[in-house]
Amino acid sequence: ETGVTQSPTHLIKTRGQQVTLRCSSQSGHNTVSWYQQALGQGPQFIFQYYREEENGRGNFPPRFSGLQFPNYSSELNVNALELDDSALYLCASSLAGAGGNTEAFFGQGTRLTVV
Amino acid sequence: LAKTTQPISMDSYEGQEVNITCSHNNIATNDYITWYQQFPSQGPRFIIQGYKTKVTNEVASLFIPADRKSSTLSLPRVSLSDTAVYYCLVARGSARQLTFGSGTQLTVLP
Repeated sequence: ETGVTQSPTHLIKTRGQQVTLRCSSQSGHNTVSWYQQALGQGPQFIFQYYREEENGRGNFPPRFSGLQFPNYSSELNVNALELDDSALYLCASSLAGAGGNTEAFFGQGTRLTVV
Repeated sequence: LAKTTQPISMDSYEGQEVNITCSHNNIATNDYITWYQQFPSQGPRFIIQGYKTKVTNEVASLFIPADRKSSTLSLPRVSLSDTAVYYCLVARGSARQLTFGSGTQLTVLP
């Protein structure tokens, strides 16, 4: 149990629709990262938020966007869904600025299926 | 970002020690070496992290030679529940973007 919770756990959407995934970070953590994991592959970094600002982005198109709220929870929004967006979406929280290295704690993920 | 190379799969038997080696030839001075474990349909779980020499916790040991171009995750006396994908990552101290490779599928047999 990492203290990172994601909702919903499973979701089915139709191509072209929009989706919002939610993440509550571990208490005391100020940084949230989102990852996409396709079947049989390792997680791929989408972006990271630190103190409500985007703090790094992977190779994902602008239709992937995010928000971080004052309580450090976060949302991932995906517009104009495509079939290839079907994946496990993972949220990870960590404490940045603590000095030294920091560990990322992952949630259980949201399984998105686009049909 | 430093690229890592690790075996695609490994098999072991219950009670054996398992060593998974990872190559990271382009590791930077500020990079830490971190290993994660992932079960199907779950998020990765932190196992261990180190910078140099040897690190041990209640779950595993991590051996890092002086040149830091490789590392070895050691799991003592594995059980069936250790069957999972193990990822080796190198990341800067601020733990920004984590770059996962394909990982090593460890299968523990009875």
